[in-house]
Amino acid sequence: GAVVSQHPSRVICKSGTSVKIECRSLDFQATTMFWYRQFPKQSLMLMATSNEGSKATYEQGVEKDKFLINHASLTLSTLTVTSAHPEDSSFYICSARGPTDRNEAFFGQGTRLTVV
Amino acid sequence: GEDVEQSLFLSVREGDSSVINCTYTDSSSTYLYWYKQEPGAGLQLLTYIFSNMDMKQDQRLTVLLNKKDKHLSLRIADTQTGDSAIYFCAERFDSSYKLIFGSGTRLLVRP
Repeated sequence: GAVVSQHPSRVICKSGTSVKIECRSLDFQATTMFWYRQFPKQSLMLMATSNEGSKATYEQGVEKDKFLINHASLTLSTLTVTSAHPEDSSFYICSARGPTDRNEAFFGQGTRLTVV
Repeated sequence: GEDVEQSLFLSVREGDSSVINCTYTDSSSTYLYWYKQEPGAGLQLLTYIFSNMDMKQDQRLTVLLNKKDKHLSLRIADTQTGDSAIYFCAERFDSSYKLIFGSGTRLLVRP
């Protein structure tokens, strides 16, 4: 149990277009999800906290108009990279707090975004 | 602010023990985690320790926490080639499950 599914795993898009990444908790409800970004050979940097039914909380330096987060249900959060540019190319990973009896966060498989 | 540091690279021979170290600056964390990441993949939770514990053992894994020195380590016994990956330590500060990650240590296991 406690599986987080992220889709797509890889996406290539043209510069100027928008890309949506989905993060789903498959067998539990997640009121809070997190979006991280990972540059090659670097650590994961928290971008924002996604809260079901309310606005996301963005970390300092993350453009909220650039990275739109929607958490419309207890099992789905989406991250939309708007007007993508090559510098947005990165590995994006989501996580969700697990069921209350599991003291851990569960991570999706990640999405490799390449903007050409 | 929070800062979590790790050594970048560790190479060991198959069958030896590996010790991956992590230092942190903010001692108010509630839990500390170790994650494993294989190339192009997401994160796999290996183990975690509550901040009021000194040690936790889980099969081949031993976590040591020195709160005074703000030092966390992960020991992998009988390291196998399948253990080759990047290992991240992470701090959690509250009930929100927001994690602050270390820089990651790349473990290479030589046959």
